[in-house]
Amino acid sequence: EVQLVESGGDLVQPGGSLRLSCAASGFTFNNYAMSWVRQTPGKGLEWLSAISDNSATIYYADSVRGRFFISRDNSKSTLYLQMNSLRVDDTAVYFCARGYVSLGRFDYWGQGTLVTVSS
Amino acid sequence: QSALTQPPSASGSPGQSVTISCTGTSSDVGGYKYVSWYQQFPGKAPKLMIYEVTKRPSGVPDRFSGSKSGNTASLTVSGLQAEDEADYYCSSYAGNNNLVFGGGTKLTVL
Repeated sequence: EVQLVESGGDLVQPGGSLRLSCAASGFTFNNYAMSWVRQTPGKGLEWLSAISDNSATIYYADSVRGRFFISRDNSKSTLYLQMNSLRVDDTAVYFCARGYVSLGRFDYWGQGTLVTVSS
Repeated sequence: QSALTQPPSASGSPGQSVTISCTGTSSDVGGYKYVSWYQQFPGKAPKLMIYEVTKRPSGVPDRFSGSKSGNTASLTVSGLQAEDEADYYCSSYAGNNNLVFGGGTKLTVL
């Protein structure tokens, strides 16, 4: 059974940093591209970043480029999102998802982890 | 404001059909065949229901179907059931390694 489990969400002050993790199991992690997607009540779902199976190619949405950094450790079947210079409007539930941006689809998602940015 | 426009709500009675629209531009929905639809229950992860405009992943009932005309994609749920009550989101590849989502539609089964 494919499972994606996010962790690392927390309450952080504006300007702070946080690293999210996504532990994958039930499939050959290093065969798949992965993405991070967030969800806010006001703005719905927003794709943030994607990384290829071997980390050779990385893409970011304009809203997070230069502040967020995606990475993966295939030996640990884990995806990461380093978030810096956090802003109040980064408050959201963050999901990791398996799939390819170029194909426009994610076939498995984690349950999400809540990031709250507030003073 | 989301990149793709969906109606905030839709509804139908059990057994009826309901269609949810997803309007974009020629740079996303109209320009590519990579439109997907996701079902999401409160507090749960999104579930892929339709991909590449019309295709259904294994396990998704054939009551769910997708289509596209110009810059507007649509999800149709036929033979509506109480268990279909959920939020539905569309997404589309938007070129330049970018993906955009719709704002979501809350489907209510009356």
